Amino acid sequence: QKEVEQNSGPLSVPEGAIASLNCTYSDRGSQSFFWYRQYSGKSPELIMFIYSNGDKEDGRFTAQLNKASQYVSLLIRDSQPSDSATYLCAVNFNNAGNMLTFGGGTRLMVKP
Amino acid sequence: SQTIHQWPATLVQPVGSPLSLECTVEGTSNPNLYWYRQAAGRGLQLLFYSVGIGQISSEVPQNLSASRPQDRQFILSSKKLLLSDSGFYLCAWSRSHNEQFFGPGTRLTVL
Repeated sequence: QKEVEQNSGPLSVPEGAIASLNCTYSDRGSQSFFWYRQYSGKSPELIMFIYSNGDKEDGRFTAQLNKASQYVSLLIRDSQPSDSATYLCAVNFNNAGNMLTFGGGTRLMVKP
Repeated sequence: SQTIHQWPATLVQPVGSPLSLECTVEGTSNPNLYWYRQAAGRGLQLLFYSVGIGQISSEVPQNLSASRPQDRQFILSSKKLLLSDSGFYLCAWSRSHNEQFFGPGTRLTVL
């Protein structure tokens, strides 16, 4: 069974620090990877996607992909209290219909 | 730009009652559409997906069903709700780049 694993947290970081969120997946053939942010009581919001090995930067966010080790990570620089949310990792295991398999999410708490 | 709508936003229903949740997408054509359920404090469980009108695939056996009567309309239904059907129901759409975009969700409580 194809799985996506995340540490549930909470991950607590002080304001201004770098938050590092990690995700591992079970299928080496996976091609596309996504990070969503979900505030309490709200729907998930896409913040990053990455298809190739290496780093992809967008503002304060950097996604890192290592297909050989089957992990993808999200770095949040200069963390703000407004970044406090649950971060969901999602993987497309090349299924029909572009289905995504989601991890259980990591809860991030940024303390002022 | 594309937008996705879901209604109702919240719903409280007794056990054994029927259910109909609606999702519509604007600003795109022939999207892939998805229904997810998120139980309290849990991850997202894919329930159904559709690649076109009348085409529905089910991922998890349950007492729910889905229909796609129009290109940009996706409906989730049940004839008789169970307590275990409570949760946050999310509709999502995607196009060729396979990023999925979620609607605001429907919070269902079955009593």
